[in-house]
Amino acid sequence: SQQGEEDPQALSIQEGENATMNCSYKTSINNLQWYRQNSGRGLVHLILIRSNEREKHSGRLRVTLDTSKKSSSLLITASRAADTASYFCATAYSGGYNKLIFGAGTRLAVHP
Amino acid sequence: ETGVTQSPTHLIKTRGQQVTLRCSSQSGHNTVSWYQQALGQGPQFIFQYYREEENGRGNFPPRFSGLQFPNYSSELNVNALELDDSALYLCASSPGLAGVGEQFFGPGTRLTVL
Repeated sequence: SQQGEEDPQALSIQEGENATMNCSYKTSINNLQWYRQNSGRGLVHLILIRSNEREKHSGRLRVTLDTSKKSSSLLITASRAADTASYFCATAYSGGYNKLIFGAGTRLAVHP
Repeated sequence: ETGVTQSPTHLIKTRGQQVTLRCSSQSGHNTVSWYQQALGQGPQFIFQYYREEENGRGNFPPRFSGLQFPNYSSELNVNALELDDSALYLCASSPGLAGVGEQFFGPGTRLTVL
């Protein structure tokens, strides 16, 4: 079974709008990572946030982590058509670093 | 610097056959992880190899096995293929254990089992 659950499953927006995706997980983690995947190809790492961090920024990306609620959000500001992809959160258990567990993903479509 | 590569790109097998997928890790990375991704789903962790030894395994039966070589490249072997094994198989390399930091993914091998 998958550790994380993304919400929504699919998101459709216009260029220039912001896109927010949420991720919930079940057990204590060391870190949470977000990845992007274009059309069934390999995944690309976007950002990693550690369990003792609450917010992190990278370019147009903003990630928050609330360990008390076991949830994270990814915000993409000023979306572009090129941001169209699937986005996945992945968690590393606090019990060890030997697994990275992915959620089912959010499929984002950005329309010109 | 060469990225993670996988071969073959696509593969068609029939039920009951065996398959070997290959992955070359990025230079300087000693860990390779394998994932299975069914259509419309997130990647499912199969196992991880660290310095040539299996170190961590997901909920996959023993017919999924692997190897890591001294140059840190890796193979995924699947015996007695079943229809549900049809998926995109992804490998990822990293300079340390999976979950510590960023993983670098290859483009994947699309396996179809008929």
